[in-house]
Amino acid sequence: AQRVTQPEKLLSVFKGAPVELKCNYSYSGSPELFWYVQYSRQRLQLLLRHISRESIKGFTADLNKGETSFHLKKPFAQEEDSAMYYCALSGRGSYIPTFGRGTSLIVHP
Amino acid sequence: DADVTQTPRNRITKTGKRIMLECSQTKGHDRMYWYRQDPGLGLRLIYYSFDVKDINKGEISDGYSVSRQAQAKFSLSLESAIPNQTALYFCATSDPFFDTQYFGPGTRLTVL
Repeated sequence: AQRVTQPEKLLSVFKGAPVELKCNYSYSGSPELFWYVQYSRQRLQLLLRHISRESIKGFTADLNKGETSFHLKKPFAQEEDSAMYYCALSGRGSYIPTFGRGTSLIVHP
Repeated sequence: DADVTQTPRNRITKTGKRIMLECSQTKGHDRMYWYRQDPGLGLRLIYYSFDVKDINKGEISDGYSVSRQAQAKFSLSLESAIPNQTALYFCATSDPFFDTQYFGPGTRLTVL
């Protein structure tokens, strides 16, 4: 069974502060990890995926297989980062994703 | 992403009514999914389909059924709606190479 845990329902920071949204997973095989973002009144969209090892809008995420984590980080939060963030996992080749419960990020001016 | 569309966008109905939510995509993807989103519970998978002849139950399929009419169309039905099916419903496709999900705009369903 695959499981994704986002321990924080809400994360509130001030503009310019560092941000870390936590994601832990449980999966026995090779995982594919993703972060999706949902801005207010918009549809969910991909933010980044671990296989691309990319930085999008200043966000990065590193897959730590030892700690089974895929935390999302940004060194300096912006007000426009305020959104709901979902961590998701698919088993490699399964194409059946499991989403975490989401973390609401609020960035105050 | 306007390539995945859902109709209706909002629907209010009464307990016991049959409801169909429709999803269309122009991305040419074979894999399609239906999720529901509830506050505090995130997204939960209802049904998924890997091609027209392949339909599979997800985590919470009870009370729902689906139909894959074509590669581009995947409909979700509530045979007899009940209040705890009040939620935001999302359709999604996934690309064949990176398994990235592409979501529709969502349908807000209220069952009174």
